Formats: sequence, C-alpha cells, structure tokens
Amino acid sequence: DTGVSQNPRHKITKRGQNVTFRCDPISEHNRLYWYRQTLGQGPEFLTYFQNEAQLEKSRLLSDRFSAERPKGSFSTLEIQRTEQGDSAMYLCASSLEIGDQPQHFGDGTRLSIL
Amino acid sequence: GENVEQHPSTLSVQEGDSAVIKCTYSDSASNYFPWYKQELGKGPQLIIDIRSNVGEKKDQRIAVTLNKTAKHFSLHITETQPEDSAVYFCAASPGSNYQLIWGAGTKLIIKP
Repeated sequence: DTGVSQNPRHKITKRGQNVTFRCDPISEHNRLYWYRQTLGQGPEFLTYFQNEAQLEKSRLLSDRFSAERPKGSFSTLEIQRTEQGDSAMYLCASSLEIGDQPQHFGDGTRLSIL
Repeated sequence: GENVEQHPSTLSVQEGDSAVIKCTYSDSASNYFPWYKQELGKGPQLIIDIRSNVGEKKDQRIAVTLNKTAKHFSLHITETQPEDSAVYFCAASPGSNYQLIWGAGTKLIIKP
C-alpha cells in the first residue's frame, strides 16, 4: 500500500500525559499537512510542511502541540499535558509541491483522553 | 478569512436517484475546490476537484459545478448506489499555503 500511513490508529491516555503520533506520507510528496477533526465536523487545519520546513501553524496549535518533519519524510505530532478537549481524530495528508494539488489523507489517529 | 458553508447536513435519496450537495464560500481569492468522501473510521478520500478556471467537471457518475460570481459550487451524484452512503465534505483553498477550509459535511443515505 503506497498511501498515507498513520500510527497508531487509536490512542487512549489519561489527562496530563504526553502523546506522539506518526505520519508517513506518499513517498514523492513534498508537502505534509496535519488536521484535527471532531465528531460531526469537517477537518480543521493545524500545520503544514514543505519538505522539512514548517511553513504555517494555525491558531489552534497551542504551545502544547509541536510537529516535526526532520528529514522531509515522515512527520510526528506531539501533544504535551493532554486535556479533555484534545480528544479528536488527528489526520495527516500529503500532496505534490506545485500549486494547488490534491491532498491525500491517511485514516487518522483517534485520540481519547480519559 | 475563508468560510465554507455546506447544505444539507443530511440527505436521504432512493437508490438510483440523483443527489446534489451545495457549498458556498466567502473568499473570492479561493481557486481550488475539492470534494471528499469519508466512510466511518476512515480518512477523507478525494472524489473530484475543480479549479477556478473551469465551470464544470465530470467523472463517470460524479460531477462538480462552480459559479465563481455567486461563490458557490455543487456536487452531483447520479444513479446513486448503496456504496455511495457516506459523509461528503466540500473544501476551498484560499491559496495561503494551500490549507483547505472545510464545510461541515453532508451525511448521504441511500435507501434501497
């Protein structure tokens, strides 16, 4: 399967713990995006990488959130000191580089905070 | 910033009939409009997209129309089948780092 891969698929943790998610994009895609989706809503943009450079961060991305893409391939999203409101599906997408290109999504990581 | 509204929130149609989902956007600078299908427990899957220099695009049973003057675009599915049942999202790209701004989704139910 050469699509976008996200791990883990599900994460259950206690409030206050740190969690980290991983995204492996489609291999030739230079752009990588993180979105958050809550139940019954469309995805909300969190951040965007072109190769290893993080070019934009949403206001939704508080200082407890950090994303990296160290070698321009896979990316990680870390949430520190998790809160109840962080419960959501975290989606990763990737696309080619030139202009507006279709974004291809993984199946997400569902985070549940106890 | 860009705002995308999507209607209806739920649409129930008889198998074989057509379904139409409508979206409006606010930012006239938006120039790329994809549609996604999301099944339970899965990520959104791109089904069709349209750019602002085109008024209509068709792919088998699926078509999208765009009216830039009125700032609205629509998804048309003909000859609906049970496997078309899912949540459909429209989105717009205002051109700032290519982030997508999404509608709230339409739950499409195909009645046998």
